[in-house]
Amino acid sequence: QQQVKQSPQSLIVQKGGISIINCAYENTAFDYFPWYQQFPGKGPALLIAIRPDVSEKKEGRFTISFNKSAKQFSLHIMDSQPGDSATYFCAAAGSARQLTFGSGTQLTVLP
Amino acid sequence: ETGVTQTPRHLVMGMTNKKSLKCEQHLGHNAMYWYKQSAKKPLELMFVYSLEERVENNSVPSRFSPECPNSSHLFLHLHTLQPEDSALYLCASSQETGAGNQPQHFGDGTRLSIL
Repeated sequence: QQQVKQSPQSLIVQKGGISIINCAYENTAFDYFPWYQQFPGKGPALLIAIRPDVSEKKEGRFTISFNKSAKQFSLHIMDSQPGDSATYFCAAAGSARQLTFGSGTQLTVLP
Repeated sequence: ETGVTQTPRHLVMGMTNKKSLKCEQHLGHNAMYWYKQSAKKPLELMFVYSLEERVENNSVPSRFSPECPNSSHLFLHLHTLQPEDSALYLCASSQETGAGNQPQHFGDGTRLSIL
């Protein structure tokens, strides 16, 4: 019930391409869906977040798409750059509970 | 200093040793967290503190003992650890507990290796 399933485990994209990472959840009480970005040797940092009252949120090259009926949400990175190479974690939580994280996606953007 | 600072960055210890991990946040937050990060696994929440009071303990073995003397400092005391405890231990803070609309700010972690 508390799991957040993330795919793929790893992703290789050419510079300028679109990176897409998907997450699915079970708990319908979840109402906050952040994405974190983690570079080697660093802690995760909040990248972008969405609430289920909207189906899409865009910040620069990063977009979250949210499908409430399917209980799925995804991160799209447009015009991917080598500097975007990192591990990305999706997460989910209800209003009074702690974050449940996905298992992470290691993104490599080739120059 | 700004953000969340963790020390030491790396720690190697034997199974019978006692050591402590330290976390300090300079963000004025009221909530602090300990997470365990193992390769290819989700971050595991270990402990949550709100205003120096422990509000959540996710079935963590007693060989891990947290301490929160004030809202800016958090410790994780380690004793008689097992090899499977080798991992990256992350500290985080947020304005309040409960994910709600409270982003968590992470430190860079302590890489722990148990011999």
